[in-house]
Amino acid sequence: GQQLNQSPQSMFIQEGEDVSMNCTSSSIFNTWLWYKQDPGEGPVLLIALYKAGELTSNGRLTAQFGITRKDSFLNISASIPSDVGIYFCAGGERYSSASKIIFGSGTRLSIRP
Amino acid sequence: GAVVSQHPSWVICKSGTSVKIECRSLDFQATTMFWYRQFPKQSLMLMATSNEGSKATYEQGVEKDKFLINHASLTLSTLTVTSAHPEDSSFYICSASLPPDISYNSPLHFGNGTRLTVT
Repeated sequence: GQQLNQSPQSMFIQEGEDVSMNCTSSSIFNTWLWYKQDPGEGPVLLIALYKAGELTSNGRLTAQFGITRKDSFLNISASIPSDVGIYFCAGGERYSSASKIIFGSGTRLSIRP
Repeated sequence: GAVVSQHPSWVICKSGTSVKIECRSLDFQATTMFWYRQFPKQSLMLMATSNEGSKATYEQGVEKDKFLINHASLTLSTLTVTSAHPEDSSFYICSASLPPDISYNSPLHFGNGTRLTVT
């Protein structure tokens, strides 16, 4: 089946630094999504991307839908302690809102104050 | 925004018993909901697609007789783990999205998950 390769697996950075993570796939996705998950909770949507080449920002977060439709990246600028958590990319197979999505393996972000 | 509620948030049961988990879309009708399972320090793995008024579609390797899914209304899907065993202990998460007539490209919104521990 389809798989998403997410990297890095973990990051341990200084507060205030910028963060970058990415996902790649061997197959095409029509939507790319980025979620953040805190311990014991469900994932919370950060950014949704629907068009190849699209670059979208949400506050300090910026994500891009790769033009090949096989990759996406998420950048976090000027990291703060509340950014700690696990970030997942997810790829959607169809434009339909009922399409299932497949998750990457996650990037665990830790921040030194 | 769209809200998905999941209940219970945690449950402990004895091996051999069955456990039912509810997933509700609180402010919208969801013809399709999805059930995911997440083991510690791992990603979310799709178990099945729950379709209102019809049978669920299970992913490869997921036993449909063990994980019973019922989507009897447009706002409620239930997952029943039958004859639970310790290896079924996991974090179960449901999700839903707005219907196409409201938001064609609505992404999935997730419930807060249910922590199942089978002793």
